[in-house]
Amino acid sequence: DTAVSQTPKYLVTQMGNDKSIKCEQNLGHDTMYWYKQDSKKFLKIMFSYNNKELIINETVPNRFSPKSPDKAHLNLHINSLELGDSAVYFCASSHPDQYEQYFGPGTRLTVT
Amino acid sequence: GQSLEQPSEVTAVEGAIVQINCTYQTSGFYGLSWYQQHDGGAPTFLSYNGLDGLEETGRFSSFLSRSDSYGYLLLQELQMKDSASYFCAVKGNAGKSTFGDGTTLTVKP
Repeated sequence: DTAVSQTPKYLVTQMGNDKSIKCEQNLGHDTMYWYKQDSKKFLKIMFSYNNKELIINETVPNRFSPKSPDKAHLNLHINSLELGDSAVYFCASSHPDQYEQYFGPGTRLTVT
Repeated sequence: GQSLEQPSEVTAVEGAIVQINCTYQTSGFYGLSWYQQHDGGAPTFLSYNGLDGLEETGRFSSFLSRSDSYGYLLLQELQMKDSASYFCAVKGNAGKSTFGDGTTLTVKP
């Protein structure tokens, strides 16, 4: 069974479009994250949710909106996609009292 | 804010020992973690240090000195499969984890 899953794995779209990435974890964790990894492999946290509540919101453009319908799911919606949004987006989860984060396989977003 | 520094690249030969250093500046400190990421893959957790000292897990060890804001990952008996990127990460206030820019380790035969 996959611990943290993301869909889709690849996403190719044009500038200006709106797209969503879905994430689900079956580990029973309370905390979920979205990270962006750019072409230089820098891994930056974007958002963190704990029990469906937003606890970390980095300086991310308003075009990015996370949604957590329940503590097992954290989706990322991106409006008006720009070339600079091209990256790999990783979802991760953890137990609030533990330090290990479990990462999903990533979604490679390419904006043309 | 939080910032971490680690070397961008390290090269070593099979069977050797390599140390990847990480220095950090953080507001609030709750531990230093290390992650491994192979090309095209996801980061996977390797180790965590919350207190000063050495933690050993098989061929990998991690060290922390909180007074020096410094830690390192030690990889022994290097294998070709250890070629990957290695990230240190600090957990700070509000549970936020900040990752270093990563160290690309190349293991040569």
